Amino acid sequence: GIQVEQSPPDLILQEGANSTLRCNFSDSVNNLQWFHQNPWGQLINLFYIPSGTKQNGRLSATTVATERYSLLYISSSQTTDSGVYFCAVGSNDYKLSFGAGTTVTVRA
Amino acid sequence: ETGVTQSPTHLIKTRGQQVTLRCSSQSGHNTVSWYQQALGQGPQFIFQYYREEENGRGNFPPRFSGLQFPNYSSELNVNALELDDSALYLCASSLTGGDTQYFGPGTRLTVL
Repeated sequence: GIQVEQSPPDLILQEGANSTLRCNFSDSVNNLQWFHQNPWGQLINLFYIPSGTKQNGRLSATTVATERYSLLYISSSQTTDSGVYFCAVGSNDYKLSFGAGTTVTVRA
Repeated sequence: ETGVTQSPTHLIKTRGQQVTLRCSSQSGHNTVSWYQQALGQGPQFIFQYYREEENGRGNFPPRFSGLQFPNYSSELNVNALELDDSALYLCASSLTGGDTQYFGPGTRLTVL
């Protein structure tokens, strides 16, 4: 199956700081999603981005499919951004393969 | 538009018992996938159902089985529970298997 590596594993930020999370994957994909998992376990969709760049408020994402990586940018971080961020990828079999996640802690 | 719902929220079982978890897909979605998330790890794909047929399976033993109903809701059944089955079980629905997947709130299963 496709291997997914996320970095860094942990990130501690001061409120207002900017950050970049990275997702590397081992094979070509036709599905890539970024999720935020809240403390209660719910996975919240952030982006569906198998290629290109998207922005949603303070969050943006870029996927360079030919080089097999994706980046998630958090700008002007807030305490509510804390949680675990997952990258998940899929190919022709449609199942999503998840990375181990990046745990983000934003301090006031 | 109703999102993905799952029941129950929490469940405690003992080793050897059987459990059934339920999922209602988002309105208009005909594909449902199930994932297992152990503590501190990313979710692992169990299987996917498309129009009531299993459409792919991850590396899980046959005691993990499922169903999808004509209204596209789904069940996950686990027989002969083991301690390692303790996890958060997540259901996701999508229009097709390969587009955006929307997850429910999960069922937290504890096996004692």
